[in-house]
Amino acid sequence: DAMVIQNPRYQVTQFGKPVTLSCSQTLNHNVMYWYQQKSSQAPKLLFHYYDKDFNNEADTPDNFQSRRPNTSFCFLDIRSPGLGDAAMYLCATSRDRGVNEKLFFGSGTQLSVL
Amino acid sequence: DAKTTQPNSMESNEEEPVHLPCNHSTISGTDYIHWYLQLPSQGPEYVIHGLTSNVNNRMASLAIAEDRKSSTLILHRATLRDAAVYYCIPASGNTPLVFGKGTRLSVIA
Repeated sequence: DAMVIQNPRYQVTQFGKPVTLSCSQTLNHNVMYWYQQKSSQAPKLLFHYYDKDFNNEADTPDNFQSRRPNTSFCFLDIRSPGLGDAAMYLCATSRDRGVNEKLFFGSGTQLSVL
Repeated sequence: DAKTTQPNSMESNEEEPVHLPCNHSTISGTDYIHWYLQLPSQGPEYVIHGLTSNVNNRMASLAIAEDRKSSTLILHRATLRDAAVYYCIPASGNTPLVFGKGTRLSVIA
């Protein structure tokens, strides 16, 4: 029944070693989002895709990139992870954009950087 | 963007009603109010949303003040499974939802 699936649940990477986090959805939703959540903080939006249109938040570091090869999949690439990038990364979808649209979240990927 | 103010934490006894307040005095006339909850080590989960009038669903009720400067999420009978962080989020135009700090609800058996 899982609708937004994030793999892996836990990811360990080394300082400076590129890492990719995956998200897939079975909802056929048009919009996909990536949020970063550090310990005891609120989720922080990194970027989102509206269909194929990529929308980056102004304060998202260049170290973070994303790809959406098709409707179902979206990837978060961290080119050179630093210790400060250790966090829970949350993928979410919505059917469309707008004030009435609900977000559907995956369970997240907990990233550790050694 | 409209700002929200929520208590950092609240406590409730099991099987009693819980009223979680949110102030959003800078909200615009077309902004909806959304509520999400987040259980430990899980992604946030949609609870309810509304514009002006009160809203009810199987999870909760949402009471929106007549002047729309505040709203209250009502859990009718708190259970231990309701212990979570609750986020009140204004939704404006096509802008993605921006999460604030939320209220951490503890439920005492």
